Amino acid sequence: AQSVTQPDIHITVSEGASLELRCNYSYGATPYLFWYVQSPGQGLQLLLKYFSGDTLVQGIKGFEAEFKRSQSSFNLRKPSVHWSDAAEYFCAVGPAGTASKLTFGTGTRLQVTL
Amino acid sequence: DTEVTQTPKHLVMGMTNKKSLKCEQHMGHRAMYWYKQKAKKPPELMFVYSYEKLSINESVPSRFSPECPNSSLLNLHLHALQPEDSALYLCASSQGFGGTYGYTFGSGTRLTVV
Repeated sequence: AQSVTQPDIHITVSEGASLELRCNYSYGATPYLFWYVQSPGQGLQLLLKYFSGDTLVQGIKGFEAEFKRSQSSFNLRKPSVHWSDAAEYFCAVGPAGTASKLTFGTGTRLQVTL
Repeated sequence: DTEVTQTPKHLVMGMTNKKSLKCEQHMGHRAMYWYKQKAKKPPELMFVYSYEKLSINESVPSRFSPECPNSSLLNLHLHALQPEDSALYLCASSQGFGGTYGYTFGSGTRLTVV
């Protein structure tokens, strides 16, 4: 069965600092991988996704993620965090060929200090 | 129109009430989803509709009844709910069955069962 682990429940960074959110997945083949962001009381917004090809994926809002098969990881990065980035971030995995049953990680809450 | 619209945004209902949640999208997406999200937890898949047919039911109790009247609308009928059903209910849609292009989520309906 597929699974996703986000080891960090809560991360605090200063505005302008760099950010890396960790995501490890477990799946037998190459999965579809996603990062979503959720502001309080809101739905989820897709930041970026990986299916195949270039392992460094660019997303919206200046985010990027790198797929590392050897480490079963798909970490999210941003070089300079803005206060508006404070939110909950979810990594998700779906079976290659069909991502109809996404499995979400437990999320990482990002706090940004000014 | 690149949105998924959910109504109502908030709903309080008694355990004997019957109510419905509504979800609408006009992006031409042929797959639509219901997710349930408890506080500080990731979303959990409930139902998937593909081309207006129910494709996946994640063993959801029968007090939740989904309906897809047409390709743009998705309803979730609620009856005899329990207080533990209180949660954020999220609707999502995707271009094809499988979310290859990622899901577009609505802002959700915050349901409180009293």
